[in-house]
Amino acid sequence: AQRVTQPEKLLSVFKGAPVELKCNYSYSGSPELFWYVQYSRQRLQLLLRHISRESIKGFTADLNKGETSFHLKKPFAQEEDSAMYYCALYTGRRALTFGSGTRLQVQP
Amino acid sequence: GAGVSQSPSNKVTEKGKDVELRCDPISGHTALYWYRQSLGQGLEFLIYFQGNSAPDKSGLPSDRFSAERTGGSVSTLTIQRTQQEDSAVYLCASSLAGTSGNIQYFGAGTRLSVL
Repeated sequence: AQRVTQPEKLLSVFKGAPVELKCNYSYSGSPELFWYVQYSRQRLQLLLRHISRESIKGFTADLNKGETSFHLKKPFAQEEDSAMYYCALYTGRRALTFGSGTRLQVQP
Repeated sequence: GAGVSQSPSNKVTEKGKDVELRCDPISGHTALYWYRQSLGQGLEFLIYFQGNSAPDKSGLPSDRFSAERTGGSVSTLTIQRTQQEDSAVYLCASSLAGTSGNIQYFGAGTRLSVL
């Protein structure tokens, strides 16, 4: 069965520091990976997806099939990046499979 | 509507009571999903509706949970004989179709507290 692992429950960095939120998945086929974000008092929303190969709010994520990873990166964190981040996997069979989430705290 | 709408936003109930949670998806979205968000547990898939096809109920945790979608639009998630472990935020999402690349749009959720 497919699984998404986000090993860090909490990641705390200072403003301006680089950020990397880890995501590993297990799936034998060709996956589609997403990052969703939930800011305080807001609903869950899509941040980016690997098929778009885009940078959103300075964040990027590269799918590494060899390491089965889809880590989210940003070179310089901002305070407004503080939020809950969820990595999600789509296998074409049903709904998204989500990781347990990582709370990012960016301190001033 | 402008987005996925869920009601109520908060629900407090006593153990053993039945509850109904409602989701109104974005107009035109054929796929509708229910998830459960528990503290520290991420989002757990519950059930998925796609058009007129039979729903995928594989994520429902017990037979106390059921859901229906009327007219291909509004969906209701029903929990019978609620238990304290049912306390969580229940999220609904919709998308244009349940196929790859389609973005899921989430509602604000219903926070269920079972006393």
